[in-house]
Amino acid sequence: EAQVTQNPRYLITVTGKKLTVTCSQNMNHEYMSWYRQDPGLGLRQIYYSMNVEVTDKGDVPEGYKVSRKEKRNFPLILESPSPNQTSLYFCASTYRRRSYGYTFGSGTRLTVV
Amino acid sequence: KQEVTQIPAALSVPEGENLVLNCSFTDSAIYNLQWFRQDPGKGLTSLLLIQSSQREQTSGRLNASLDKSSGRSTLYIAASQPGDSATYLCAGQGGSEKLVFGKGTKLTVNP
Repeated sequence: EAQVTQNPRYLITVTGKKLTVTCSQNMNHEYMSWYRQDPGLGLRQIYYSMNVEVTDKGDVPEGYKVSRKEKRNFPLILESPSPNQTSLYFCASTYRRRSYGYTFGSGTRLTVV
Repeated sequence: KQEVTQIPAALSVPEGENLVLNCSFTDSAIYNLQWFRQDPGKGLTSLLLIQSSQREQTSGRLNASLDKSSGRSTLYIAASQPGDSATYLCAGQGGSEKLVFGKGTKLTVNP
């Protein structure tokens, strides 16, 4: 089944404790992206990657890191999480330059206390 | 910079009613327009994708249209059911691949 898999689904952590949210897709998509969703603010792009070893900042990149060492994986790293990073996170992927649409992961609910 | 607006922010209708959700975007150089459904606290389910060369797409009781010249898309839901209650999001994709979302319309269908 074609899908984007995120882990974990739920995570509660403490301020300053480094964490990684994993994202993997099995569709050979070139483009991958991370979004966060907050009440009243909607979905905002954090980082994106056009292909392996090519990443760039989205609209709200502060406090996050990403890497794209393999085409299928695009982990989101919070090196020193803070309470304002409490949010619902989504990973998504698509083909480049094709009218194919996006596939989203099931989301990761992160709470930083 | 692409901006996507959805009106209304919330909508409550009785079961069986036909309804239209609106989406407008500022940049007509849109590549795709995608409609999603989101249940509370859950992920995004893709409903319909309209490519820039298309005017509309249909899936079951759902029909989505795209008018690039006016910067509008509509999602038509026929014979609404309580199970249709959810937040509906539209998102426009430009040539940079970035997907820009509206803030959604929260739909409640009352039995």
